Amino acid sequence: GENVEQHPSTLSVQEGDSAVIKCTYSDSASNYFPWYKQELGKGPQLIIDIRSNVGEKKDQRIAVTLNKTAKHFSLHITETQPEDSAVYFCAASGGSQGNLIFGKGTKLSVKP
Amino acid sequence: EAGVAQSPRYKIIEKRQSVAFWCNPISGHATLYWYQQILGQGPKLLIQFQNNGVVDDSQLPKDRFSAERLKGVDSTLKIQPAKLEDSAVYLCASSLGLRQGPHYNSPLHFGNGTRLTVT
Repeated sequence: GENVEQHPSTLSVQEGDSAVIKCTYSDSASNYFPWYKQELGKGPQLIIDIRSNVGEKKDQRIAVTLNKTAKHFSLHITETQPEDSAVYFCAASGGSQGNLIFGKGTKLSVKP
Repeated sequence: EAGVAQSPRYKIIEKRQSVAFWCNPISGHATLYWYQQILGQGPKLLIQFQNNGVVDDSQLPKDRFSAERLKGVDSTLKIQPAKLEDSAVYLCASSLGLRQGPHYNSPLHFGNGTRLTVT
């Protein structure tokens, strides 16, 4: 079945710097790759997603890139702000029903 | 639109007791999911419903966990009897998706979860 590896597990940046989180997946049939942000005490919230027919997608300060050949995808956050501090999860569609398999998460801390 | 509602927010029980969680998905969402999130890990799918039918329950420990979705709307997840390793946050999510096999996905919307502590 699908396996998703996420790195790093923790990331600390200064406000205004960029942050990059990387994920790899194992199932070449996976075709949908969302990123979720989870704040303390809340459920994960979708921040951006990408499908396998697209190599890059941007939404203001957030971008996601996908390399299907290498089976990895990355989240890029530019001009980070303290409110970006949270745990970020990548996921890939897998399994017989195309269900999401999540990475273990990256705790991002943005220091003012 | 109103989000996914879950209750209770917190629950503390002793091992071997039973517990139930409730979820009300976003109106009009056909697909409903229950995920288990152990501290420090990503969510893991337990069961997926489409309308009131089970689509995938391959990861559900059926000797102790059960779930139902009556009338294709609200859902309950039950654990009986609970074990210490069941301590986790139980997340409910819903999506519009009428899944057309693995080639179609619509975004999942999560509730804030129920934090279960088994002592």
